[in-house]
Amino acid sequence: DSGVTQTPKHLITATGQRVTLRCSPRSGDLSVYWYQQSLDQGLQFLIQYYNGEERAKGNILERFSAQQFPDLHSELNLSSLELGDSALYFCASSPTAPPYEQYFGPGTRLTVT
Amino acid sequence: GNSVTQMEGPVTLSEEAFLTINCTYTATGYPSLFWYVQYPGEGLQLLLKATKADDKGSNKGFEATYRKETTSFHLEKGSVQVSDSAVYFCALSDRRGSNYKLTFGKGTLLTVNP
Repeated sequence: DSGVTQTPKHLITATGQRVTLRCSPRSGDLSVYWYQQSLDQGLQFLIQYYNGEERAKGNILERFSAQQFPDLHSELNLSSLELGDSALYFCASSPTAPPYEQYFGPGTRLTVT
Repeated sequence: GNSVTQMEGPVTLSEEAFLTINCTYTATGYPSLFWYVQYPGEGLQLLLKATKADDKGSNKGFEATYRKETTSFHLEKGSVQVSDSAVYFCALSDRRGSNYKLTFGKGTLLTVNP
């Protein structure tokens, strides 16, 4: 158990809908990262938050957004969903000291039908 | 930019065989290096790490040595078990600047047969 929790574990929804994925980091970690894992694209970095502020952006679509709240949990919002958004979405958190290793949650499997 | 290249799988071995999964990297600065493992249906787990040249990371019988001269961080295990069947990811973290995101390789699927 990494200490990072994600809900829900599975999500099935229709095209055009909007969903919210939730992540709670390990106790004491201020950084939260979101990743998308699909068979064709592999593991893709989406976005990083540090103590409530956006720190880095990766291959995140404009239809996707995220935020980190004062209690440090984070939410990833996916809107206008397309079939191609079906994937595993992982959250990770890291400590504030080097080497900044990341600890991953169990993931949310999103299926868009 | 930073990049990680690891050997393409899948790799299929018999139990008790020797394992090597090659990983090389390109990075500016002085990255930290990691191996992660993903078992079927699970998230990524940190397997081992190394933060500077000649460091050896080890865990659960796996080892990898940070080789700056060859920009490599190959994963090895002397005797694999069926339970080691998983996808293995090599990754680096650039310690410079404020962007600490990991750069991952594409992953190598390992299957160990009894």
